[in-house]
Amino acid sequence: DTEVTQTPKHLVMGMTNKKSLKCEQHMGHRAMYWYKQKAKKPPELMFVYSYEKLSINESVPSRFSPECPNSSLLNLHLHALQPEDSALYLCASSQVVGIASSYEQYFGPGTRLTVT
Amino acid sequence: GEDVEQSLFLSVREGDSSVINCTYTDSSSTYLYWYKQEPGAGLQLLTYIFSNMDMKQDQRLTVLLNKKDKHLSLRIADTQTGDSAIYFCAETGGGADGLTFGKGTHLIIQP
Repeated sequence: DTEVTQTPKHLVMGMTNKKSLKCEQHMGHRAMYWYKQKAKKPPELMFVYSYEKLSINESVPSRFSPECPNSSLLNLHLHALQPEDSALYLCASSQVVGIASSYEQYFGPGTRLTVT
Repeated sequence: GEDVEQSLFLSVREGDSSVINCTYTDSSSTYLYWYKQEPGAGLQLLTYIFSNMDMKQDQRLTVLLNKKDKHLSLRIADTQTGDSAIYFCAETGGGADGLTFGKGTHLIIQP
């Protein structure tokens, strides 16, 4: 099973709202990722968690706050977003170490966020 | 910095082979991937290749890697209408590292 699930599928929020995106995987992967994808563009890395610790933050504004409560779950807390933050938010997971691992990242279906 | 380049569009006739090309600049790229994205969907991992390999075949898919020229290609044999999508190549040095994606190639299938 290589499934990564994300909820919700769609989210519309105002600029003063607080919301959270959720991601879950049960592949035993110890690395989890958030990417942002604008229309007709490739995904761009936002955050990486390795063994439940934040290891990479690609200079993302503080209105995006990631959280990794355990090895299977990844959240992205949203607060005071701007209309330009509207995008598809993708979660992915992968192994961190492993003999002959290819470290392939498996992606969820994404949450389509619209900020009004 | 790291850069991955792809042509934006490829149009092929149904039943022909499609060849999607990608070039990368990072010499430390160890793992190279091809992903498929259909409209409104997430990314589906198609295949991958290690930098110490020249070729990998998986059913209708063939990946060729020229490490000297930093050139990667994906060949889809007997292209079908269901292959219509955007194809991204991506690279990473491995471990818990983010992927760097190319801009994506939109594969258009002509009947």
